[in-house]
Amino acid sequence: NAGVMQNPRHLVRRRGQEARLRCSPMKGHSHVYWYRQLPEEGLKFMVYLQKENIIDESGMPKERFSAEFPKEGPSILRIQQVVRGDSAAYFCASSPWDPGANEKLFFGSGTQLSVL
Amino acid sequence: DAKTTQPNSMESNEEEPVHLPCNHSTISGTDYIHWYRQLPSQGPEYVIHGLTSNVNNRMASLAIAEDRKSSTLILHRATLRDAAVYYCILRDLSNFGNEKLTFGTGTRLTIIP
Repeated sequence: NAGVMQNPRHLVRRRGQEARLRCSPMKGHSHVYWYRQLPEEGLKFMVYLQKENIIDESGMPKERFSAEFPKEGPSILRIQQVVRGDSAAYFCASSPWDPGANEKLFFGSGTQLSVL
Repeated sequence: DAKTTQPNSMESNEEEPVHLPCNHSTISGTDYIHWYRQLPSQGPEYVIHGLTSNVNNRMASLAIAEDRKSSTLILHRATLRDAAVYYCILRDLSNFGNEKLTFGTGTRLTIIP
């Protein structure tokens, strides 16, 4: 039973390019969360998605960042026109949908984005 | 969001028990207490959670104060593989859409061989 899969593991981009980070949740999981971790800091929540719905995007920067979780395929975190400050580890987590059941989150190994 | 307070770092000897404290004086009645840990260069992993009663699983035990204003994660016999940052998190499930976990700075646990 595969865990949460994130790819690529490492991504290098030059300033101004686009970065696309992919997350395949665990089988049967319909909820996805994205977090960002700057060096030597804690994880910061970015966005929470259900299939084809954004539930909570309160942690997403207003510009250049977008996320989707289509009916078919992985969840994508897209960063347009990257800047050096976007360099960080980006983690995805998934959970099944069971209202009020307090399901735990399963995290992937992350994508390390480096902006040159 | 209700906040938690943890020591920045702790050390423990290998094969000794470890008690990791967490204060959450503003906890509400619908907040669950969750613990996750993050090993170096990895994503966080779930450790344990509870609401009011003490909880045990194969990884750890969670002791919750009677007034729920504090809790303690107990690793019964620390190994080198337990060296990680441990996060104590309050999770509110009373409203749909509030299920996200809000991470603080956690406690960096160092295990001394």
